Amino acid sequence: DAKTTQPPSMDCAEGRAANLPCNHSTISGNEYVYWYRQIHSQGPQYIIHGLKNNETNEMASLIITEDRKSSTLILPHATLRDTAVYYCIVRVAIGAAGNKLTFGGGTRVLVKP
Amino acid sequence: DAGVTQSPTHLIKTRGQQVTLRCSPKSGHDTVSWYQQALGQGPQFIFQYYEEEERQRGNFPDRFSGHQFPNYSSELNVNALLLGDSALYLCASSLAVTSGYEQYFGPGTRLTVT
Repeated sequence: DAKTTQPPSMDCAEGRAANLPCNHSTISGNEYVYWYRQIHSQGPQYIIHGLKNNETNEMASLIITEDRKSSTLILPHATLRDTAVYYCIVRVAIGAAGNKLTFGGGTRVLVKP
Repeated sequence: DAGVTQSPTHLIKTRGQQVTLRCSPKSGHDTVSWYQQALGQGPQFIFQYYEEEERQRGNFPDRFSGHQFPNYSSELNVNALLLGDSALYLCASSLAVTSGYEQYFGPGTRLTVT
């Protein structure tokens, strides 16, 4: 699985959009970009994933550059409950034998009032 | 609909002992993965079970073993515990037919080895 690079930490203001960058310059054509977050003392939580098109769900939006070498997770209106460590992961989706997630250090996001 | 459940919540063991951790997957899921998370680090993949067989394994010694039961629940066993095995152990479940794109994690078991 391709490696990812994320800033170790970032702050954002409550109510504002939070833009979390991720570099994955060695991503392969069949690798997806996944985002998970881990709120303190809880297990990681799936947020969103995409291959090459931008994706949006009730939690966030995922913007993937055209060359797929980087992506941005957007939390449209950050709340204090969004304070967490956010992990960007790239992996191939190959069915039952390939569910392994390789977590890096993630970005520690602190939402401030 | 219950999510992923793990037991026990906390556990304290002594070096050299053996421990068994348990996981019940989210209803409808058939694949279980186990992760170890040391303090301040991201989770590290231990292994994954599907159809009662170990399908993929991370870089962990044979002291770490597991099992999946017909009802899809799973156990993680660690033998000859070391101080370095102290960590949060996370279980994640998914559905194989969806390629596991959305894995649901349990709250974890906090293991302390003294």
